[in-house]
Amino acid sequence: AQSVTQLGSHVSVSEGALVLLRCNYSSSVPPYLFWYVQYPNQGLQLLLKYTSAATLVKGINGFEAEFKKSETSFHLTKPSAHMSDAAEYFCAVLSGNTPLVFGKGTRLSVIA
Amino acid sequence: SQTIHQWPATLVQPVGSPLSLECTVEGTSNPNLYWYRQAAGRGLQLLFYSVGIGQISSEVPQNLSASRPQDRQFILSSKKLLLSDSGFYLCAWSAGRVQPQHFGDGTRLSIL
Repeated sequence: AQSVTQLGSHVSVSEGALVLLRCNYSSSVPPYLFWYVQYPNQGLQLLLKYTSAATLVKGINGFEAEFKKSETSFHLTKPSAHMSDAAEYFCAVLSGNTPLVFGKGTRLSVIA
Repeated sequence: SQTIHQWPATLVQPVGSPLSLECTVEGTSNPNLYWYRQAAGRGLQLLFYSVGIGQISSEVPQNLSASRPQDRQFILSSKKLLLSDSGFYLCAWSAGRVQPQHFGDGTRLSIL
């Protein structure tokens, strides 16, 4: 069965510093992978998706993620954090005929 | 463009009372529709999904039910709410199973 593990339920970075949010997945077939962002009391918004094309995927708001099959990872990065990036981030995996599975989320805090 | 509407935004209900949450999608036809529940620190739990009118798949057995009376309308119901039904309920749609899901703004349900 597919699964997603997000390492670190809470990550803090300084404004202007690199953002790295980790996601590892488990899937028996080539997966589709997604990153979503959620601001307080709102729904989830798609940041980016991997669908077996380029392994480096660029998304909105300056975020990008790299699919590494050998490491079964899909980490999310942004070169320079902005205060507005403070939110909760979810990694999700879709493979086979099973529904989309979400990780438990990582809350990102940005310190001025 | 496509939009998704979910209401109400907040709801406070006594234990044992009925529930009806509604979700509608505009600007697309025959979408896949989803209901999720989000509890703090536990990510998103898929409750129901639908690939067409009258077609409902349940992922978690509980006292909730879902219906899809029209192509772009998805309703989450309960005859008798439990304390454990408290949470943040999210509706989502996608153009297909492997397409990204797009979320509504959610309903925060508190059971007293």
